[in-house]
Amino acid sequence: EVQLLESGGGLVQPGGSLRLSCAASGFTFSSYAMSWVRQAPGKGLEWVSAISGSGGSTYYADSVKGRFTISRDNSKNTLYLQMNSLRAEDTAVYYCAKAEYSSSSEYWYFDLWGRGTLVTVSS
Amino acid sequence: DIQMTQSPSTLSASVGDRVTITCRASQSISSWLAWYQQKPGKAPKLLIYKASSLESGVPSRFSGSGSGTEFTLTISSLQPDDFATYYCQQYNSYLITFGQGTRLEIK
Repeated sequence: EVQLLESGGGLVQPGGSLRLSCAASGFTFSSYAMSWVRQAPGKGLEWVSAISGSGGSTYYADSVKGRFTISRDNSKNTLYLQMNSLRAEDTAVYYCAKAEYSSSSEYWYFDLWGRGTLVTVSS
Repeated sequence: DIQMTQSPSTLSASVGDRVTITCRASQSISSWLAWYQQKPGKAPKLLIYKASSLESGVPSRFSGSGSGTEFTLTISSLQPDDFATYYCQQYNSYLITFGQGTRLEIK
């Protein structure tokens, strides 16, 4: 079955760190760029970060640049998001998403999403 | 960053109605636009990509159109399962951005 399963969310204090994981199955993981998208409670979707299939290229939203690091282990079919210096405004459900290209597009839309993992930043 | 603005923010409609949601980009994004449906507590689901291409398995009552800066998502005949929130997303830039969402509710 084609699926993505996030883990690693939880409650963390401001300034703290957390690492999210996303286990992929049912497709050739290394062939696809992957991304993290978050959704604060009651709010809309916000793109966070993306990584190429090889892991050689990474991309970040300005709101997380310098604090979050995206990575992947293609041997384990797993995507990661290391989150440091967490702030209250990082509180959200974090979704892992498989990125897809349209013909001749440089960037991605998202055709497969995980169920999400909740990160709460609070003292 | 490219700003995406959806209208309306909330739409009340009845089963069987034809509804249209609009998404405007702050600059031209060619046809690099996707539409998603999200239900409460669930992950978004891809409906449309490249402005008008229907994702496999999505009912044909959903259609998308537009290019440049103005785009529309149309549902030709609303079904009970369609009441949800809809988001547009541009992928003209690596700084991916979403619209703020349109909540489609039962009249």
